[in-house]
Amino acid sequence: QVQLVQSGAEVKKPGASVRVSCMTSGYTFTSYYIHWVRQAPGQGLEWVGIINHRIHDTIYAQNFQGRVTMNRDTSTNTVYMELSSLTSEDTAVYFCARESPETFYFDYWGQGTLVTVSS
Amino acid sequence: QSALTQPASVSGSPGQSITFSCTGTSSDVGGFNYVSWYQHYPGKAPKLMIYGVNNRPSGVSSRFSGSKSGNTASLTISGLQAEDEADYYCSSYKDGGGYVLGTATRVTVL
Repeated sequence: QVQLVQSGAEVKKPGASVRVSCMTSGYTFTSYYIHWVRQAPGQGLEWVGIINHRIHDTIYAQNFQGRVTMNRDTSTNTVYMELSSLTSEDTAVYFCARESPETFYFDYWGQGTLVTVSS
Repeated sequence: QSALTQPASVSGSPGQSITFSCTGTSSDVGGFNYVSWYQHYPGKAPKLMIYGVNNRPSGVSSRFSGSKSGNTASLTISGLQAEDEADYYCSSYKDGGGYVLGTATRVTVL
């Protein structure tokens, strides 16, 4: 069955970077896109960006451009999201989610990773 | 890019139908038939309920239906059940690539 399993919770200091992983299984890794979405405490979901495995293309939301990097490791079927220059406003649960190419919806989601930014 | 606007909360009694909206612009909801809806229980992974405005994935109850008119999409839950109590988010593809999500609607079953 399709599974997206994310790395564990992280605590970071302001100004630091964090890398969250999303290990996938149960499907052909290079045939699907992976998105990242976050939810800050008491807030709604916010789209962070997408990585297209087939051509290793990425699109990032304007709010995160310059601070976020997404890449993938095809040997382990894992996608990574790295966010730099963290502030307390980046405290959130980060989700990875799968999209079948050009379908424009997220059919499977990871369990979420809590990133806490605190001095 | 501002979030899509949803009512903060909607409530109904068991068996009733409720409908709530998701308002965007001509650059997202109005410009594409790529609106999807997600059910989210706190602490869990969101679940896809509707895609492509009005399509249900396999396994999702027929009590859930979607529609769109202009820049506003809607989700209807018919025959409301206690298990439907959750947060619901809309999402839309937008001009220039990328996605925008809604502000969330909390459904309460009275």
